[in-house]
Amino acid sequence: DQQVKQNSPSLSVQEGRISILNCDYTNSMFDYFLWYKKYPAEGPTFLISISSIKDKNEDGRFTVFLNKSAKHLSLHIVPSQPGDSAVYFCAASAKDYKLSFGAGTTVTVRA
Amino acid sequence: DVKVTQSSRYLVKRTGEKVFLECVQDMDHENMFWYRQDPGLGLRLIYFSYDVKMKEKGDIPEGYSVSREKKERFSLILESASTNQTSMYLCASTQGYSEQFFGPGTRLTVL
Repeated sequence: DQQVKQNSPSLSVQEGRISILNCDYTNSMFDYFLWYKKYPAEGPTFLISISSIKDKNEDGRFTVFLNKSAKHLSLHIVPSQPGDSAVYFCAASAKDYKLSFGAGTTVTVRA
Repeated sequence: DVKVTQSSRYLVKRTGEKVFLECVQDMDHENMFWYRQDPGLGLRLIYFSYDVKMKEKGDIPEGYSVSREKKERFSLILESASTNQTSMYLCASTQGYSEQFFGPGTRLTVL
């Protein structure tokens, strides 16, 4: 039973435009959320995180929004660049050391 | 800079063989994890360890065991490899309640 869901397996966006990736979760005990980026044949790299006490966190071109009542978070990438083409994983934690991951969304940035 | 290394990038084994996957981290992290990544399923936790000689089962521990004799090293063991264990295996480490750092992954093929 997957507690973290990324319902869009893929996303195609034009270079310079905004990419919006969505993630839903079911476990109300989750209080820490992360986004990872993964290139083929490499391990995931940490991108950005947000604690449940916040509803927004920004780092350069990347912004994560958290809507606790809807159990939904999203990642905005503005502007999208060709190097952003990768698989993005949403992950969540419930005050323990474990992370629950979504299935991933493959982003393709078109020139 | 945290570095997590894995002993092999690619591995091909036969059904029934015993397989060892090694992971080493150089940041004195207490917590270490083994995941497998499969298309459409994201990352699934196999085992984790929060201290030397301590281990906890993750979501899919069947067919696997682990060993942590030293703080920096966490080994995943497939006692008798089967074709359904063909996957990308990812090791990660973290200190406390924060983002996990991943190794480059081992692509294991069981024939």
